[in-house]
Amino acid sequence: DAGVIQSPRHEVTEMGQEVTLRCKPISGHDYLFWYRQTMMRGLELLIYFNNNVPIDDSGMPEDRFSAKMPNASFSTLKIQPSEPRDSAVYFCASSPDRGYYEQYFGPGTRLTVT
Amino acid sequence: KQEVTQIPAALSVPEGENLVLNCSFTDSAIYNLQWFRQDPGKGLTSLLLIQSSQREQTSGRLNASLDKSSGRSTLYIAASQPGDSATYLCAVRLRDSSYKLIFGSGTRLLVRP
Repeated sequence: DAGVIQSPRHEVTEMGQEVTLRCKPISGHDYLFWYRQTMMRGLELLIYFNNNVPIDDSGMPEDRFSAKMPNASFSTLKIQPSEPRDSAVYFCASSPDRGYYEQYFGPGTRLTVT
Repeated sequence: KQEVTQIPAALSVPEGENLVLNCSFTDSAIYNLQWFRQDPGKGLTSLLLIQSSQREQTSGRLNASLDKSSGRSTLYIAASQPGDSATYLCAVRLRDSSYKLIFGSGTRLLVRP
């Protein structure tokens, strides 16, 4: 089974540009999570979806951030416009809606905004 | 507000030693606790998950314990190897309707050959 797939793995962009991060969850998983990891704040949950519906976006830092899940196999996290303080590693994770709801993480996207 | 703390922040041990990593949380109303491993530049790999009703879980050389009343969990690694070098994170899921994981800041482990 393929794990959670994220693209791109690395993204370097200039301040003010739009950035789109992509995630393909594990097939059959009903939950999808977007996290951000920085040295200062550690791992933080940004938003999560259940059956493609956003459930909790309280962790989204500001209106420049948006996330969508148009279908069960694809999600995007968009930053527009990007700022240097958005530089971080962004992780996507998915979880089944059964058992212990264990979360499985993707390899992450390292974003650098100059 | 749930806070998760991991001590120590970094640990260096010689190969073969048994070691313990600590995780503490402020709110005992948790659904479960997970231990993850993160290698440099990589994602998180789930090692062990303990439900709130359980006291411990074991996988190979790893043993995780949970004392919910005192708000503590430990990850015991037996006979450490250089390949165990990584950052270890614990995360708690709250006993509410959310599926949020609250992460600690991690312990960076180096096992010296």
